[in-house]
Amino acid sequence: GAGVSQSPRYKVAKRGQDVALRCDPISGHVSLFWYQQALGQGPEFLTYFQNEAQLDKSGLPSDRFFAERPEGSVSTLKIQRTQQEDSAVYLCASRPNPGINEQYFGPGTRLTVT
Amino acid sequence: AQSVTQLGSHVSVSEGALVLLRCNYSSSVPPYLFWYVQYPNQGLQLLLKYTTGATLVKGINGFEAEFKKSETSFHLTKPSAHMSDAAEYFCAANGGSEKLVFGKGTKLTVNP
Repeated sequence: GAGVSQSPRYKVAKRGQDVALRCDPISGHVSLFWYQQALGQGPEFLTYFQNEAQLDKSGLPSDRFFAERPEGSVSTLKIQRTQQEDSAVYLCASRPNPGINEQYFGPGTRLTVT
Repeated sequence: AQSVTQLGSHVSVSEGALVLLRCNYSSSVPPYLFWYVQYPNQGLQLLLKYTTGATLVKGINGFEAEFKKSETSFHLTKPSAHMSDAAEYFCAANGGSEKLVFGKGTKLTVNP
């Protein structure tokens, strides 16, 4: 079946621009996660949704980062006024329900801020 | 706070040799532990996981890992490396929260 998909796969933004990154989770998956992976590092948690509820946003690095999942399926991660330090791969993962620990990852969006 | 440490950012082995990738965790609660593999320009693929029960866990592609609570370790092994194993490997843990905490990763090179 279809896995987690993310779009765009690559995004180049000038410093100060706003960007929106999309995640389509596996159909029916209740839980959705966003991670940020800087070059040469492991993924770091940004935020977590259960259905449409954002239950944990403790990893969002600043108030320029905002995520939503209004209908409990597709999610968008928005970054306002991008900075060079925002350059990273943004990974989305989904999970069938909170009782299952395995997360299924998408291919990521590579954001480069120039 | 939970943390995961992977010793060795780069590991190089010959084809057919043993693969050993090290992972240690710190956790105030018994964690669930995972190994993921990442090929270039791709997302993370689950190799294996430990939740409860048997401490020796077998995964895909001939990999296995052993949970050792006394050593707070979850090292990944494969008896015989194949060229297709060349990739980056991430150890991850979660315990007490929903999020995964990852190590910095180990890049595995397999030499012919």
